[in-house]
Amino acid sequence: NAGVTQTPKFQVLKTGQSMTLQCAQDMNHEYMSWYRQDPGMGLRLIHYSVGAGITDQGEVPNGYNVSRSTTEDFPLRLLSAAPSQTSVYFCASSYGRPPKNTEAFFGQGTRLTVV
Amino acid sequence: GNSVTQMEGPVTLSEEAFLTINCTYTATGYPSLFWYVQYPGEGLQLLLKATKADDKGSNKGFEATYRKETTSFHLEKGSVQVSDSAVYFCALSDPTTDSWGKFQFGAGTQVVVTP
Repeated sequence: NAGVTQTPKFQVLKTGQSMTLQCAQDMNHEYMSWYRQDPGMGLRLIHYSVGAGITDQGEVPNGYNVSRSTTEDFPLRLLSAAPSQTSVYFCASSYGRPPKNTEAFFGQGTRLTVV
Repeated sequence: GNSVTQMEGPVTLSEEAFLTINCTYTATGYPSLFWYVQYPGEGLQLLLKATKADDKGSNKGFEATYRKETTSFHLEKGSVQVSDSAVYFCALSDPTTDSWGKFQFGAGTQVVVTP
C-alpha cells in the first residue's frame, strides 16, 4: 500500500544546478500536484496535472517544470536552482471529480537546500 | 480568489485541555473544507473533511463544522494528548469548478501539548 512516493527525501544543491524530484502514486488517481512548504506560508501550489499529458501552472511556477507522461508519475524539475527554492516539497494526488472523494493524499516530502 | 485564514501559533496546551483552532475562508463557489495534520518529519494526513454547509467532520476526537453563514471551519478537540502535538492545516477546494483538485491552504498552526 505505497500511496504517494517521493524521492529523494533530502537533497542539497549548489546554485545553478538542476535536478528532478520524483513522485509516483499507485492509486490510479487522475489529479497530481506539487506544493512547496515555507515557514508561515502554508503550502503553495507549483504545478498540477489533471491527467496524463495535461499540466498547468499553479501559484508559484517560476523556475520549475513538470511533465505527466503516465498516470502514475509526475516529476518536478528544477532548471537552475536558486537559494529561494530552498523549501520542503510535497507531491499530492487526488482521486477524481466530485462526487468522488476529492481529498488529497500527500507524499512524505523532499527537503531541498540550495547553497 | 479563494483563500484560507487560520490562527497563528504556536498554541501550547497542557494534556487534557480543550483545543480550538480557528479557520475562516473566502470562496466564490461552494468549497469542500478539510483539516490536515502534519507530524514532525512527515507529510500531510487528512484529519477530517466536510463537503457542504452544516456538515460536521470528525475523526480521532477532533471535530469541525462547516458554517457557511460565518465562512468558518473551526477545529476542536475536547481533551488533547501529547501525541496530538503537530501542525494543523485548514484547506479548501472547490469541487464545482474545473479547479476541484487545487487546494488552498492556511499558513498552519503548530500545537504543542505538554504532559
